[in-house]
Amino acid sequence: NAGVMQNPRHLVRRRGQEARLRCSPMKGHSHVYWYRQLPEEGLKFMVYLQKENIIDESGMPKERFSAEFPKEGPSILRIQQVVRGDSAAYFCASSTGDRALGYTFGSGTRLTVV
Amino acid sequence: GQSLEQPSEVTAVEGAIVQINCTYQTSGFYGLSWYQQHDGGAPTFLSYNALDGLEETGRFSSFLSRSDSYGYLLLQELQMKDSASYFCAVATRVTFSGGYNKLIFGAGTRLAVHP
Repeated sequence: NAGVMQNPRHLVRRRGQEARLRCSPMKGHSHVYWYRQLPEEGLKFMVYLQKENIIDESGMPKERFSAEFPKEGPSILRIQQVVRGDSAAYFCASSTGDRALGYTFGSGTRLTVV
Repeated sequence: GQSLEQPSEVTAVEGAIVQINCTYQTSGFYGLSWYQQHDGGAPTFLSYNALDGLEETGRFSSFLSRSDSYGYLLLQELQMKDSASYFCAVATRVTFSGGYNKLIFGAGTRLAVHP
């Protein structure tokens, strides 16, 4: 069982570029959650997706951020026209259903905007 | 709104016992969970309490009192490798779109274990 796989582990982007973060959930998991963590802070909820559906995007900034979880392939978190404030660790988690008692997290993508 | 409070830092020595408290305010409470995160690492699930009382898993135990909106994580026989950040997280039941459990995290407690 490979666990939740995220790539890349580290991503450096210049201001104005696009960042694409990928997440493959654990085998058998069809529920994906994205969280953002700033240094020395807790994890902040961004979005919850099921296959081909965005269920809750209440934590996503309205501009520049989007997420998808297609029928085939990984979930993608996309940040357009990145700014320095987007620098953070982005974690993906997955679960088997909507009554999950605990999430399994991936190792995260550390995004640095220069 | 929803909020969780936990101490920002705790220091202890090897072999000791430490308790990390967490108080919360939320609607749609479903349970309280705890995660461990080492520097640069992923959050790792430790335990979950849906009902009042104590849950024990090896050296770690977690407690919940729903009437007091309070829980704690108890770490016994501390080891150097337990130095990490510990997060409490409230699972809240979101009722739209068919419903799901949403995890809201506290800011974390940094535990430093010294020889």
